[in-house]
Amino acid sequence: DADVTQTPRNRITKTGKRIMLECSQTKGHDRMYWYRQDPGLGLRLIYYSFDVKDINKGEISDGYSVSRQAQAKFSLSLESAIPNQTALYFCATSDPRGAGTDTQYFGPGTRLTVL
Amino acid sequence: AQSVTQLDSQVPVFEEAPVELRCNYSSSVSVYLFWYVQYPNQGLQLLLKYLSGSTLVKSINGFEAEFNKSQTSFHLRKPSVHISDTAEYFCAVSEKDSNYQLIWGAGTKLIIKP
Repeated sequence: DADVTQTPRNRITKTGKRIMLECSQTKGHDRMYWYRQDPGLGLRLIYYSFDVKDINKGEISDGYSVSRQAQAKFSLSLESAIPNQTALYFCATSDPRGAGTDTQYFGPGTRLTVL
Repeated sequence: AQSVTQLDSQVPVFEEAPVELRCNYSSSVSVYLFWYVQYPNQGLQLLLKYLSGSTLVKSINGFEAEFNKSQTSFHLRKPSVHISDTAEYFCAVSEKDSNYQLIWGAGTKLIIKP
């Protein structure tokens, strides 16, 4: 079984709808991340969480919110989806071994299309 | 790190030929350097990383990268590519004593021609 799972894997929705993307991990890592990937732009960090009570905005948090329900679960919400949020979304985890040295472990991604 | 530049968005190469994927970064402090690989329809996974010590680091599948501090580069190389190396490769950098965020390059698609 995969260590980092994301649901759904694909989602098509309409402008204005509320969407939640879910991430679960069995790696026991405290740190979790949400990224979006757009062609030619690489990965951009939306939110990150160092533990259940520590949630931080990333580079592009506007229009998104997150919830860390437990060490193993980190959800990303789009309160009112818009077409330019169409992208591939990745959840990742890491185990802190030293400042900046963590290896990140990625889920398989959720492809979101906003019409 | 202020930015990470991967100059080539795509690199086509014949099977069994050598390849170099370029990565340059800008930063005024010490950094850690990473290469991640994304195979088709999959998430990213770590290929190799430089933290300290020898500037030449190697992966288990024949890739290697060399940290060049003076040129602020961390180019990825493989002497002979295989069709299974078809993927997108991302360079990433984190600054020592930072808030642990990775700065990502835009990615380079490695296209293997038979």
